[in-house]
Amino acid sequence: GQNIDQPTEMTATEGAIVQINCTYQTSGFNGLFWYQQHAGEAPTFLSYNVLDGLEEKGRFSSFLSRSKGYSYLLLKELQMKDSASYLCAVLDSNYQLIWGAGTKLIIKP
Amino acid sequence: DTGVSQDPRHKITKRGQNVTFRCDPISEHNRLYWYRQTLGQGPEFLTYFQNEAQLEKSRLLSDRFSAERPKGSFSTLEIQRTEQGDSAMYLCASSLRGEVTDTQYFGPGTRLTVL
Repeated sequence: GQNIDQPTEMTATEGAIVQINCTYQTSGFNGLFWYQQHAGEAPTFLSYNVLDGLEEKGRFSSFLSRSKGYSYLLLKELQMKDSASYLCAVLDSNYQLIWGAGTKLIIKP
Repeated sequence: DTGVSQDPRHKITKRGQNVTFRCDPISEHNRLYWYRQTLGQGPEFLTYFQNEAQLEKSRLLSDRFSAERPKGSFSTLEIQRTEQGDSAMYLCASSLRGEVTDTQYFGPGTRLTVL
């Protein structure tokens, strides 16, 4: 079967750095997405990785290792507004998105 | 606003009633997706369209659920004879097939409460 694993919840301090991990087992791979979702709102696109390595976009970076079935989202200089759920999703061989359950990130002052 | 829009944003209904939701995708996008999401879970795929053709429907989807995209633009999702287990956020997303990333962009969702 297809599976995406990510931690259920993480806590970090304002101004710090946090890394949210995602491991996946899917039938085929056409890219990995990270989305941010604030409570009661829709997911918003953060990043896309299809090749191994690190993609940096401002305070957010995303890393992919296809051989290990592993990705992480790195958030720097954390702000209170970063408190949200972060969803990892993989585009499988049928170009269908397989979603993780999300990691709830709590930022403390 | 040129993003994905959904209507209504909230719907409260009694068990057994039918409900219909509407989604307007980003205008140039040819793919449209419907998902359902419950608290603490990722989105659950329901169905998707490429233009007006419904290409895939989740095997978990009950026959009470039906979706249309008659002219390849907006889409409707209908739930017949609603049950309390249908209470969830219904999300619509659109993407441009042919774009390298095929990134899906989401609407604000319709929150359904079945009493």
